Amino acid sequence: AQKVTQAQTEISVVEKEDVTLDCVYETRDTTYYLFWYKQPPSGELVFLIRRNSFDEQNEISGRYSWNFQKSTSSFNFTITASQVVDSAVYFCALSEGWETSYDKVIFGPGTSLSVIP
Amino acid sequence: DAGVIQSPRHEVTEMGQEVTLRCKPISGHNSLFWYRQTMMRGLELLIYFNNNVPIDDSGMPEDRFSAKMPNASFSTLKIQPSEPRDSAVYFCASSPPSMAGAIYGYTFGSGTRLTVV
Repeated sequence: AQKVTQAQTEISVVEKEDVTLDCVYETRDTTYYLFWYKQPPSGELVFLIRRNSFDEQNEISGRYSWNFQKSTSSFNFTITASQVVDSAVYFCALSEGWETSYDKVIFGPGTSLSVIP
Repeated sequence: DAGVIQSPRHEVTEMGQEVTLRCKPISGHNSLFWYRQTMMRGLELLIYFNNNVPIDDSGMPEDRFSAKMPNASFSTLKIQPSEPRDSAVYFCASSPPSMAGAIYGYTFGSGTRLTVV
């Protein structure tokens, strides 16, 4: 069965610090997708990134970067030079298979990030 | 595009009453998902549809919950009778048809905050 673990329940950092959010997943499939979503205090869920299981290249988007390591089943998310607007709950998610748009996506419990000015 | 539209944004009802939550997916998206978010259980997938057909309803907690998708632009989630433990934020999400094996991140609605007293 698929499972996503985000061991860090809450993290607090001071503005401009770098912060890494950990994500460990379990799956028996060889093909799968991993996602990160952001849920700011306003409550909506915002899609950040999707990565498939065959692409282990790390990705950078502005201050955000993602480190995917199949050997350790991890898909960690780093925010560089954090800002107060980064304060949110961040969810890691996993979808097994990639043949359809309706494969189930299972979410981790989330990590609440507070960036203190 | 207006995004995924959910109504109402907030609903307060008395125990035993029927509650209907509504969702309009993004035009052209053929998969629709209902999630429930609580502090205790996080984000749980309740049911999802593909081309208006329910694919998996194993996440529906009880027979008191039912969902329909009569056409490509509308879905409802009904709770009858409602109970205090149903209080949660209910999210609807949609995703487009897959192309060449790709899976897209879901687009979520703003959610309906349900309070059953």
